[in-house]
Amino acid sequence: KNEVEQSPQNLTAQEGEFITINCSYSVGISALHWLQQHPGGGIVSLFMLSSGKKKHGRLIATINIQEKHSSLHITASHPRDSAVYICAVGKGGNNNDMRFGAGTRLTVKP
Amino acid sequence: KAGVTQTPRYLIKTRGQQVTLSCSPISGHRSVSWYQQTPGQGLQFLFEYFSETQRNKGNFPGRFSGRQFSNSRSEMNVSTLELGDSALYLCASSLQGLAGYTFGSGTRLTVV
Repeated sequence: KNEVEQSPQNLTAQEGEFITINCSYSVGISALHWLQQHPGGGIVSLFMLSSGKKKHGRLIATINIQEKHSSLHITASHPRDSAVYICAVGKGGNNNDMRFGAGTRLTVKP
Repeated sequence: KAGVTQTPRYLIKTRGQQVTLSCSPISGHRSVSWYQQTPGQGLQFLFEYFSETQRNKGNFPGRFSGRQFSNSRSEMNVSTLELGDSALYLCASSLQGLAGYTFGSGTRLTVV
């Protein structure tokens, strides 16, 4: 079993819909990261969380440490949000020894 | 300010050769991490350098190595290339490895 599981693997939505991507992990972590990867390969770091909730524009990330679960929400989705979203966890005391989920491919249709 | 710069963007090598990839972090960032991304294995952590010292290493064979220079620029080297080394290699920099990361655009390596 992977240390980091994401669901769903693929997600298609209509523009304007509310999107939720889930991430569960099975190891102790020091922080959880949400990354966005566009078709060209470039990766953007969206959030780094160790507790609670963070918001940036239309993106919201939450984490429940007790349940070892995080969610990424996108409100009022737009076709430019189409990308692969990757959950990554930093294990133990060093954030850089990271484990990655397989990613969720999001397609937002106009 | 300039982002993380990786060179070259694309590379084709032959099995058995070696390759060196370069990563220039954002000015002031002292932590540089390297990752391999393949369709089968996804993203995997290779190693991290901080102030010229390897601080962490993922589960890769010794053919994969790296170093960091005093100006924080980093290189990774893969010797005796195998077909399975074909991948997108990404580096990311951060202030101390605890803050948010900035990723480069990656180097796409094809081994034939």
